[in-house]
Amino acid sequence: DTAVSQTPKYLVTQMGNDKSIKCEQNLGHDTMYWYKQDSKKFLKIMFSYNNKELIINETVPNRFSPKSPDKAHLNLHINSLELGDSAVYFCASSQDLAKNEQFFGPGTRLTVL
Amino acid sequence: GENVEQHPSTLSVQEGDSAVIKCTYSDSASNYFPWYKQELGKGPQLIIDIRSNVGEKKDQRIAVTLNKTAKHFSLHITETQPEDSAVYFCAARKAAGNKLTFGGGTRVLVKP
Repeated sequence: DTAVSQTPKYLVTQMGNDKSIKCEQNLGHDTMYWYKQDSKKFLKIMFSYNNKELIINETVPNRFSPKSPDKAHLNLHINSLELGDSAVYFCASSQDLAKNEQFFGPGTRLTVL
Repeated sequence: GENVEQHPSTLSVQEGDSAVIKCTYSDSASNYFPWYKQELGKGPQLIIDIRSNVGEKKDQRIAVTLNKTAKHFSLHITETQPEDSAVYFCAARKAAGNKLTFGGGTRVLVKP
């Protein structure tokens, strides 16, 4: 009965590879987000989608491409991985753009070697 | 854009004492201020929030105060317990797009 789930929990890969992280929410929410948390714990928003439509794109390199096949899913695909992409990536959701509370997933720790 | 500063970065308190974390924000248009608790290996979890039309809000041992004029808000935890040990984040949000800007986090350690 997990509200926001992400897979995988850990991802270790080589520089230059392409990888995807999946996110699903079963809360019936309209809005989903991706955040990046760096090694110093700093949390920064990357993207948000509302009803499958891109709302926020925070100057993220275009190697990062979010995809929302439906309201309950927001996946993150990363091309040509770089060392600096190593971080914990969190998916979150909120009821809609007006409802403030965001529910976070457990995170995906990405390590690029 | 919005900038949120959070202090202190680490806080060590004795069990039973109070803990206070302070944040300042830059954008006077921000109208919603949540606090999140992040335990080791988990995602942030909302513990309390306050809107700009309210000056103070309390939930059991946790309280938040907001000073809109000075653009700062604070989290107060009373009677701290070991399970309060975690990283706490403040955030600020403007109305459009529900975009949260987070502070740098405070690592709280409650010593038994």
